Amino acid sequence: ETGVTQTPRHLVMGMTNKKSLKCEQHLGHNAMYWYKQSAKKPLELMFVYSLEERVENNSVPSRFSPECPNSSHLFLHLHTLQPEDSALYLCASSQETRSGPQHFGDGTRLSIL
Amino acid sequence: GNSVTQMEGPVTLSEEAFLTINCTYTATGYPSLFWYVQYPGEGLQLLLKATKADDKGSNKGFEATYRKETTSFHLEKGSVQVSDSAVYFCALSRDSGAGSYQLTFGKGTKLSVIP
Repeated sequence: ETGVTQTPRHLVMGMTNKKSLKCEQHLGHNAMYWYKQSAKKPLELMFVYSLEERVENNSVPSRFSPECPNSSHLFLHLHTLQPEDSALYLCASSQETRSGPQHFGDGTRLSIL
Repeated sequence: GNSVTQMEGPVTLSEEAFLTINCTYTATGYPSLFWYVQYPGEGLQLLLKATKADDKGSNKGFEATYRKETTSFHLEKGSVQVSDSAVYFCALSRDSGAGSYQLTFGKGTKLSVIP
C-alpha cells in the first residue's frame, strides 16, 4: 500500500468531455500536490495545497481546476482538454517541513482523443 | 532560482557493475536533497535523502553525500541488479512561501541493467 491512492489509473476522454481525477492520502499529511509528467520533459508541478489552501498555481491553464475539500482528498477537474494534455498525472502528499519528503501515488495515465 | 541538473541518460550497465548518477544543484539557502526512483508503471518513491552538508543518505545499497562545496549529490551503488532498472530523479526542497516547501526535480536518468 503506497499511502497515496489515485483513481482512475487510466482515463481516455474526448476533448469536449468533463472528468475528474481523485487522490486520497492515508498518511496524515497536511500538504498535497498535483504534478504532470510528460514524455521527455521534466516533472511539472501544477498545484500545491497546504492545510487545504492553495499556495501555488504554476501558470496552469484554466481547463485544469483543482479542489481540496479536506487534508486527505485532492481532485483535479478536467474540461475541454487538448491532445497535448495527454500525460501521467501524479498526486503527492507531505508534511510541511523543509526535510519532509513527498509521497507519490501511482498516477493516472490520461489520454486525450 | 533553484535548479537541479542530472546526467543525461539512458545509462545501461551489466549486472554487478558500479553505478554513479551525477547530480548538481543551484539553490539559495540550505536545501534538503533527495533521490527518488520511478519503476515502470508506478509513481515516484523516495530512495534516500540528506538534510545538511556532509550528510550521507543511504538505502537499498544506494548512497549519496550532500557536498556543499561542489553543490553535488551524486547517487552511487556498488553492485547493481536487474531489479534496479528504473528512472532516477534528483530533487531539492525549496521554500515557496506561506510556510510551504516544494521540490524542484531534475529531468531524470533512466537506468537499464542487463543480466
